[in-house]
Amino acid sequence: GEQVEQRPPHLSVREGDSAVITCTYTDPNSYYFFWYKQEPGASLQLLMKVFSSTEINEGQGFTVLLNKKDKRLSLNLTAAHPGDSAAYFCAVSNQGGSAKLIFGEGTKLTVSS
Amino acid sequence: ETAVFQTPNYHVTQVGNEVSFNCKQTLGHDTMYWYKQDSKKLLKIMFSYNNKQLIVNETVPRRFSPQSSDKAHLNLRIKSVEPEDSAVYLCASSRGGWGAETLYFGSGTRLTVL
Repeated sequence: GEQVEQRPPHLSVREGDSAVITCTYTDPNSYYFFWYKQEPGASLQLLMKVFSSTEINEGQGFTVLLNKKDKRLSLNLTAAHPGDSAAYFCAVSNQGGSAKLIFGEGTKLTVSS
Repeated sequence: ETAVFQTPNYHVTQVGNEVSFNCKQTLGHDTMYWYKQDSKKLLKIMFSYNNKQLIVNETVPRRFSPQSSDKAHLNLRIKSVEPEDSAVYLCASSRGGWGAETLYFGSGTRLTVL
């Protein structure tokens, strides 16, 4: 079945620095890709959802890149601030029914001021 | 704003006991899920229900059983807990059961088995 590997498990950066989290997946039929953010003591919340037809997706303060050839998904926070400190999870699903998200192992990001 | 409600937040119990966790969503969604988040934060799907029908049942021990009274509620019962059941159990919902759907998560129930 699908496997999603996420790196790094821990990431510490200073305020204003960029932070990059990468996921690789195995199933070539994967079609929908998600980034979820989990702040300490809070539930997971969707950060961005991307589809396999779009390679670059920009949000507020971050960019999501999808490389289907390499089966690689990345989240790039361009200028991190302490409020970005959280756990980040990538997740992958295919086009079929019965939504079954396969999650990466998560990255704990710490942004120091 | 929270729309997926889980109770209890925490539960401590002894090996062999039975526990039940409740989940309710007020989003009007058709599909609900239980995920297990282990001590390393790894999230794995356990079950999903669409309109009270079981649609995903991953390989979990038989002591776990989901229960859905209506599409807004999905409870989880563990018949005889084991130490490896210690984890955070996350309930989620989505509008439908398709791969493109966004999941909305509750804040989780942390189970500790002594």
